[in-house]
Amino acid sequence: NAGVMQNPRHLVRRRGQEARLRCSPMKGHSHVYWYRQLPEEGLKFMVYLQKENIIDESGMPKERFSAEFPKEGPSILRIQQVVRGDSAAYFCASSPPTAIQETQYFGPGTRLLVL
Amino acid sequence: KQEVTQIPAALSVPEGENLVLNCSFTDSAIYNLQWFRQDPGKGLTSLLLIQSSQREQTSGRLNASLDKSSGRSTLYIAASQPGDSATYLCAGRKAAGNKLTFGGGTRVLVKP
Repeated sequence: NAGVMQNPRHLVRRRGQEARLRCSPMKGHSHVYWYRQLPEEGLKFMVYLQKENIIDESGMPKERFSAEFPKEGPSILRIQQVVRGDSAAYFCASSPPTAIQETQYFGPGTRLLVL
Repeated sequence: KQEVTQIPAALSVPEGENLVLNCSFTDSAIYNLQWFRQDPGKGLTSLLLIQSSQREQTSGRLNASLDKSSGRSTLYIAASQPGDSATYLCAGRKAAGNKLTFGGGTRVLVKP
């Protein structure tokens, strides 16, 4: 059973470009979470999704950021018109649907660098 | 709003010494607490999860305790090894929500 997969592992963008980060949860997991780790800071929750639904987006910046988890395919975190302050490691985690308070399993992260 | 704090931010010990890592949280309405390990440039590896009804969990050389009344959890690593060098993160989950609230982490260096 493969773990949580994220791609790309590293992404370089220039200011103003778009960044698309992908997350494939573990097999059988239908809950996906995105967290951001800014340089020298802890991990901060961004958004929690189930298939085709955003459950909690209280940690998402109000502008330029969006997330989706379609019925088929990976979850996508999209950042439009990136700025230097968006440079960070973005982690995806997943958990199974059977119990909402289960352990979250983390992917290796996508490290975004905005030039 | 739940806040999670880890002190100290960094810790250096000689090989063989026991490690004690502290985590405190402000909201006692915590459903469970999870300890993770993060190696430089890598993702998070789950070490132990303690439910609010439990007082401790053990896995090999690792033991984690939870005291809801005082808002504290402690991770003990017995007989530390250089391979234990990493950043250790604790994260709490509220009963009503599902997101994890992370502490800032403790960066551990075990010197051979």
